[in-house]
Amino acid sequence: QVQLQESGPGLVKPSQTLSLTCTVTGGLISRGGSYWGWVRQHPGKGLEWIGYIYYSGETFYNPSLKSRLTISPDMSKNQFSLNLKSVTAADTAVYYCTRVETGGESWIDPWSPGTLVTVSS
Amino acid sequence: DIQMTQSPSSLSASVGDRVTVTCRASQSISTYVNWYWQKPGRAPALLIYAASRLQSGVPSRFSGRGSGTDFSLTINNLQPEDFATYYCQQTYSTPPTFGGGTRVEI
Repeated sequence: QVQLQESGPGLVKPSQTLSLTCTVTGGLISRGGSYWGWVRQHPGKGLEWIGYIYYSGETFYNPSLKSRLTISPDMSKNQFSLNLKSVTAADTAVYYCTRVETGGESWIDPWSPGTLVTVSS
Repeated sequence: DIQMTQSPSSLSASVGDRVTVTCRASQSISTYVNWYWQKPGRAPALLIYAASRLQSGVPSRFSGRGSGTDFSLTINNLQPEDFATYYCQQTYSTPPTFGGGTRVEI
């Protein structure tokens, strides 16, 4: 059973880079058939797709974040990471790492527990 | 981007009720719709994928239907553990987008 756990600082200063890592257990990110990515949720709000990566290195980013965003894999550690540059208070959110299953249609399962990242000086 | 308009934004119900949540896409998306639920302080979890397929382990009182632009999630015989916020999501095109959520409360 695949499980995901995010890690990283809970507080980031404005204009700095938000960096999170997702550790995957029970499955290999280097095996095809699944995408690995991130979703965030602003406090008290709905869900926003950030982006995902395929084992081949192909990435798909939300256009609204693309200029600031990098998602990259570390196959040796079975992890993938999120880097979001030049953050502002608007990037304060709970961040979830996810697996996207594909089979024609696609869906997110599972989700990590989530980590709150606050952007504040 | 495809917009997913979910309604109602909240509803009150009682244990044993039948509840329906709807989601309308801004363009036709075949059956590329998923439903998730989220309890306070918890991560969302998959309920239904591809519009009508029940995720393994999800109780059979949950069902989904629809294709094209109109989709629905129905909960029969509402149970105490079903009180949560429900989200639809389209994966027909990138970026995948979510509905605004429906809070089901007592």
